[in-house]
Amino acid sequence: EDKVVQSPLSLVVHEGDTVTLNCSYEVTNFRSLLWYKQEKKAPTFLFMLTSSGIEKKSGRLSSILDKKELFSILNITATQTGDSAVYLCALINDYKLSFGAGTTVTVRA
Amino acid sequence: NAGVTQTPKFQVLKTGQSMTLQCAQDMNHNSMYWYRQDPGMGLRLIYYSASEGTTDKGEVPNGYNVSRLNKREFSLRLESAAPSQTSVYFCASGRLGTYNEQFFGPGTRLTVL
Repeated sequence: EDKVVQSPLSLVVHEGDTVTLNCSYEVTNFRSLLWYKQEKKAPTFLFMLTSSGIEKKSGRLSSILDKKELFSILNITATQTGDSAVYLCALINDYKLSFGAGTTVTVRA
Repeated sequence: NAGVTQTPKFQVLKTGQSMTLQCAQDMNHNSMYWYRQDPGMGLRLIYYSASEGTTDKGEVPNGYNVSRLNKREFSLRLESAAPSQTSVYFCASGRLGTYNEQFFGPGTRLTVL
């Protein structure tokens, strides 16, 4: 199976801090890499990255993919308590998603 | 537009009992998926259906069966539940093609005693 490794497993920050989450993988032939946010319920879609080196941004969140070094990062700037969640990354190959174990982010007021 | 719906939300079974988890989507997606989520292990694919009329095994299919009833509905059946199947089950749907992000249902929390 496709291997996806996320780090760190968990972290605790204070409001206003910047967070960088890592996702590394061992598959070289895949369609896209996705990031999801999960807050106690279903994962909700954040980003899809298909091309290397092109940053995607949505408000305080941004993400980039490096296909040469086989990793992606998700940045969250000026964190808020509402950013507390599990962040999942996944690879799409054929029709299937292979997920990492996730990073649990806790933002304290 | 409800997106992806799942029933039931919670279920407790005894070892050996059977049950079917139901999933429906109203986004006209071709592909549908069943995942299980266990602590520290992320989401693991059980079965998927790339299009109506087809089903395929995922990473952890043992102990499960699926039925793609029509384009909207994809059910997951546990024929003889085991405690190892205690988990949260998510159904998802997605479009075919390059931009195949998946949309998830609210999940079913299943406990097998």
